[in-house]
Parts: sequence; structure tokens; C-alpha cells
Amino acid sequence: AQSVTQLGSHVSVSEGALVLLRCNYSSSVPPYLFWYVQYPNQGLQLLLKYTSAATLVKGINGFEAEFKKSETSFHLTKPSAHMSDAAEYFCAVSDLRNTPLVFGKGTRLSVIA
Amino acid sequence: DAGITQSPRHKVTETGTPVTLRCHQTENHRYMYWYRQDPGHGLRLIHYSYGVKDTDKGEVSDGYSVSRSKTEDFLLTLESATSSQTSVYFCATATGEADGYTFGSGTRLTVV
Repeated sequence: AQSVTQLGSHVSVSEGALVLLRCNYSSSVPPYLFWYVQYPNQGLQLLLKYTSAATLVKGINGFEAEFKKSETSFHLTKPSAHMSDAAEYFCAVSDLRNTPLVFGKGTRLSVIA
Repeated sequence: DAGITQSPRHKVTETGTPVTLRCHQTENHRYMYWYRQDPGHGLRLIHYSYGVKDTDKGEVSDGYSVSRSKTEDFLLTLESATSSQTSVYFCATATGEADGYTFGSGTRLTVV
């Protein structure tokens, strides 16, 4: 069965610093992988997705993620944090057997001025 | 998202009463989902639908039922609300599992 583990329920970075949010997945088949962002009192918004094309995926707002099959990871990065990046971030996985997304428990990102 | 409307946005109800949450989409997406969001648990799938009258159970379906009689509407019913069902409920739609989901703004339900 597919599953997702997000390491760190809360990450705090200084404005201008590197953002690194970790996601490891488990899937018996090549997966589709997603990152979503949730701002306070809003629904989730798709940041980026991996669907077996390029392993380095670029998303909105300057975020990118790299699919590493050998490490079963799909970590989210951004070179320079902005105050507006403060939100909760969710990693999600779907296998190719047409089953719904399984979400991680989320990582709350705080950006300190 | 403008294409997905959840109603009501907020509701307080008493233990033991039935409650129906509605998700309406104008995207003509075939796939629809109900998730609940709770602190420390992330999003957990309640029920999903791959088409009209085609529904299936998710991870946390006990105490919930769904109906989909039209492409655009997906109803979630709490048959007899309990305090453990206090949560934020999100509806999502998709054209396929590989495309990513579009989420509604959520319904905050409090069971007292």
C-alpha cells in the first residue's frame, strides 16, 4: 500500500534562507507524487507534481522538487524563503492503479523576519 | 477554488443529528473526493467517486455515507453526528489521478 512520511511537523527558517521540506514515500509501483500548499483558512493548492517525466520538477512560487527513486524521496526546496511562503505543505502519492491520493500529515513552515 | 463550492462553510450541530455537506463543481470533473483534516493527521480520505452512482469507501468511512446522482454534486452525510466527527471537511475533484486535485474551501463542522 502506498504511504507518505513527511519528516518534521514544523520547520522554521529565516527570510532569505533555503527552504527544505522532506517527503519520503512508499509505493509498490512507480508513483505519481505531488506537493500541495495550504494557507490559513483555505483549501489546498497544487504546487507541483511528478508524473514520470523529468525528475526535477519546477512549481509555482519558485518551489521545486526532485524525485529520487533510490532514496524514495520527493523533497521540496526553495532557494530563498519569503514571508509569504509561511503555510502548511502536504506531500501526496498515488500509484498507477487509479487509487486516490494518500497525503502526508503535513509540515508547517514558519518564516522569520 | 471558483469551480468548487462547498456548503455550508461553517456548521454547528448536536450529537446524534444527521448532517449533510454538499460539494458542487462546475469543472465537469469525473472524479470527486471527500477528505477530513485534523491536526496531526493531515488529510484522510472518507469516500470517493469515479462517476455518477459510482462511489467507494476510503480510510475513515465509518459513520459517513455519500451520494452522487449528478456529475456536479457529491453529498457527504453524517448519519448520526458524534464529537469525533468535529473536523474540517474538504471536497476535491480531478480529471484523473495523475492530474492532481482541485480543492474546495472546506466546511468547518463542530459537533457539540
